[in-house]
Order: sequence, then C-alpha cells, then structure tokens
Amino acid sequence: QITLEESGPTLVKPTQTLTLTCIFSGFSLSTNGVGVGWIRQPPGKALEWLALIYWDDDKRYRPSLKSRLTITKDTSKNQVVLTMTNMDPMDTATYFCAHRAYSSGYFAYWGQGTLVTVSS
Amino acid sequence: QTVVTQEPSLTVSPGGTVTLTCASSTGAVTSGYYPNWFQQKPGQAPRALIYSTTNKHSWTPARFSGSLLGGKAALTLSGVQPEDEAEYYCLLYYGGAVVFGGGTKLTVL
Repeated sequence: QITLEESGPTLVKPTQTLTLTCIFSGFSLSTNGVGVGWIRQPPGKALEWLALIYWDDDKRYRPSLKSRLTITKDTSKNQVVLTMTNMDPMDTATYFCAHRAYSSGYFAYWGQGTLVTVSS
Repeated sequence: QTVVTQEPSLTVSPGGTVTLTCASSTGAVTSGYYPNWFQQKPGQAPRALIYSTTNKHSWTPARFSGSLLGGKAALTLSGVQPEDEAEYYCLLYYGGAVVFGGGTKLTVL
C-alpha cells in the first residue's frame, strides 16, 4: 500500500524559505523508474507541477520557479524535501506530493496536501 | 513556456457521453507525451484516472476511457453519473518534466 504525507509550516512570512517534507511508504525511491513530485494548487485555481526527483537522482523543475526550488531525497528515510526560497503571498497554496512509476504513470498516488499561507 | 490547454467547462446530462480534450502548445499530442488524466472534487486531493494515454488504474470506473483524438489527448466518459461532476486535469510529459492543463469543470445536469 502506497501512502504519502506532506508536512511543514502552515504559515510563512514573505521572503522566508519554505521547507516541505514528504514522507512515504509502500515503495522505494531507489527502484528503477520511481519518482516523487511536488504539485501545488492556489485556492480556487488549477494544479501546478513544481518539481520531480527520480530514482536516479535526476531532478526536474518548473521552469518559471527553477531558481527558487530545490528538491532532494533521502532514500534511507523514505523522504523527499522541497525547499522554495523568497516566498511571496502568491505562493499561498495547498502543496501535494505524489508518486510516479513506470507501471502506474505520473502521480497515481497523492498525499492529502498541506495548506501553506504566505502572510506577514 | 509550454502551455497545455483544456476546455474550461463542459456540461453533460446524466447517462450521456462527453469527451474532454488536452492540447499542447508544442504541437500534436502523441503517445510519447504519456497523457495522464485526473479527477478532483472540492476539498480533495486529485485522483488519477488514466495514464500513458489509455491505461486505467485498478480503481478507475469502466465508463472512463483515454485516447488520442485529432492531435489531442482525450478523456471520454460514457454513461455519465452524477458523481462524475468534478474538475478534470490532464498532464503531459516533456522529457522528464511535466505540465498540467488548466482543468475542465464538468457539470452533470
């Protein structure tokens, strides 16, 4: 059974750095073809893909946010961490992490999401 | 900046059939874009329906099907049920990165 759970602050101030952790179970990020992605959804708006990290440590980022994002993995702890610098109120959103694999495509399994509000 | 375009909204009657499409600003969508489709209801995380153009997950109802249609990815719902009212998102693969479409709000009326 694959599960993912996001954790991190619910409130950050403008210009601060956001650090989110995705803790997962039921799969290994060292398995060929597996990846974990981060997706966000501003209130009332569409899904936005942010970043992906693959089993081979290949990392991909949303082009418009690439300079602000860093994704890392700790395979031994079954964790993926996303950092986003210089937070702005426009970054207020629910942030999701999700699983990817050759056998199930992109994001077959999702965490429940965590709402992050950016406000002073 | 790659843009993936979906119909903003569609309306269908219960029991009817509706097709949602997903277009890429880079040109025709092919199987190499590995189209994925998701359903999202208010307050919930998205639920995956289709991957790699046509493949269903074990939990995907049989009335949902994926295809390529006229240079776009397509999601067809046949025999629509009231519970299918939701937002639907497609996702396309671009060489390691992915892009979501803007979503289609499906109303069952």
